Amino acid sequence: EVQLAESGGGLVQPGGSLRLSCAASGFTFSSNWMNWVRQAPGKGLEWVASIKEDGSEKYYVDSVKGRFTISRDNAKKSLYLQMNSLRAEDTAVYYCARSTLRIFDIWGQGTMVTVSS
Amino acid sequence: IVMTQTPLSSPVTLGQPASISCRSSQSLVHSDGNTYLSWLQQRPGQPPRLLIYKISNRFSGVPDRFSGSGAGTDFTLKISRVEAEDVGVYYCMQATQGPWTFGQGTKVEIK
Repeated sequence: EVQLAESGGGLVQPGGSLRLSCAASGFTFSSNWMNWVRQAPGKGLEWVASIKEDGSEKYYVDSVKGRFTISRDNAKKSLYLQMNSLRAEDTAVYYCARSTLRIFDIWGQGTMVTVSS
Repeated sequence: IVMTQTPLSSPVTLGQPASISCRSSQSLVHSDGNTYLSWLQQRPGQPPRLLIYKISNRFSGVPDRFSGSGAGTDFTLKISRVEAEDVGVYYCMQATQGPWTFGQGTKVEIK
């Protein structure tokens, strides 16, 4: 079964850091672009970052550029999101999503990140 | 690209149809000829789930009561006969031009 499982969320103070992970199973991880999408409490979906199959290309939404870094380890079938200089407005559920030819076809259950003092 | 959905809320009687509109601020036709417009469903307390991709293609396992149509900047998701399990929020999403963007979401609820 194709699955994505996020972990690493939690409560962090403003200005702090957190690293999210996403473990993939049931498909050839190295053959797909991977993405992070977030959803603030009670709000809609917001694309955060994407990374190419081999990690050679990375893209970010403007609001996280310079603070967040997306990366992957194809040998471990894992996707990561390093989040630094966290702000209250980064509070959200963070979803890992696979994309196939620009189609976000598989989503994880999400991990909650709360930025608060 | 700004994605605008209407309505934002849609109370529907069980067994009746529902329709959601999504309009993009510019054409979603990619230079490769494809239109990367998808529809996602998010049931209460659940992650998003892909329903429709490239305007009108149903994803694996999606019931045929869901259909998508449209072209250019105007797109529609239709549910032919709403069932209780269809309650949730529906989002359109474009992946033609970065940054990828979503509509605000349309809440489908039972009257």
